[in-house]
Amino acid sequence: QKEVEQNSGPLSVPEGAIASLNCTYSDRGSQSFFWYRQYSGKSPELIMFIYSNGDKEDGRFTAQLNKASQYVSLLIRDSQPSDSATYLCAVNPPGTASKLTFGTGTRLQVTL
Amino acid sequence: EAGVTQSPTHLIKTRGQQATLRCSPISGHTSVYWYQQALGLGLQFLLWYDEGEERNRGNFPPRFSGRQFPNYSSELNVNALELEDSALYLCASTDLRTGHTEAFFGQGTRLTVV
Repeated sequence: QKEVEQNSGPLSVPEGAIASLNCTYSDRGSQSFFWYRQYSGKSPELIMFIYSNGDKEDGRFTAQLNKASQYVSLLIRDSQPSDSATYLCAVNPPGTASKLTFGTGTRLQVTL
Repeated sequence: EAGVTQSPTHLIKTRGQQATLRCSPISGHTSVYWYQQALGLGLQFLLWYDEGEERNRGNFPPRFSGRQFPNYSSELNVNALELEDSALYLCASTDLRTGHTEAFFGQGTRLTVV
């Protein structure tokens, strides 16, 4: 079982819709969860982090964490073509003190 | 405030040569991570340095090595380059002393082995 799993996509949503990106992780003791956005040929950019169960909102982005289900998601409201990118989920498993482990990413395409 | 900076941006080497990649963390950050991202693939963890010490190492051969200097900048060395080492090498930094673990990436070094 992979430590961090994401659907590779592509996930295609129309402009203005809500994009929902999902991630599951294997280590139940994980405490820190991150979403990065990566445009083709560029480096990852941190867009959200969440440490506690529940929702965390920042502008059009909402991160949701459910530790019991070992599930973290990212919602993007009012999706724009500029949101088209690969979204990487990252988790800090316990015992490895900040060795961020990444999923393979979900490619999001926002269509006009 | 300057972000994480990496040099060079691009590097072309021939098989068997050595490559040295450099990373300067965000001011005040003491931890540096190195990741390899081959074309179309995910991020693979290479090395983690914190306070000058190697804290963790990914599943890579010993010809991948590095170090962290007293000013917390870091260097990644790849010896005996192979064609499959061609990838984007990413450095990220964080400050674990704050209790937060958000990591910020540099722009990467694209290594091409021919």
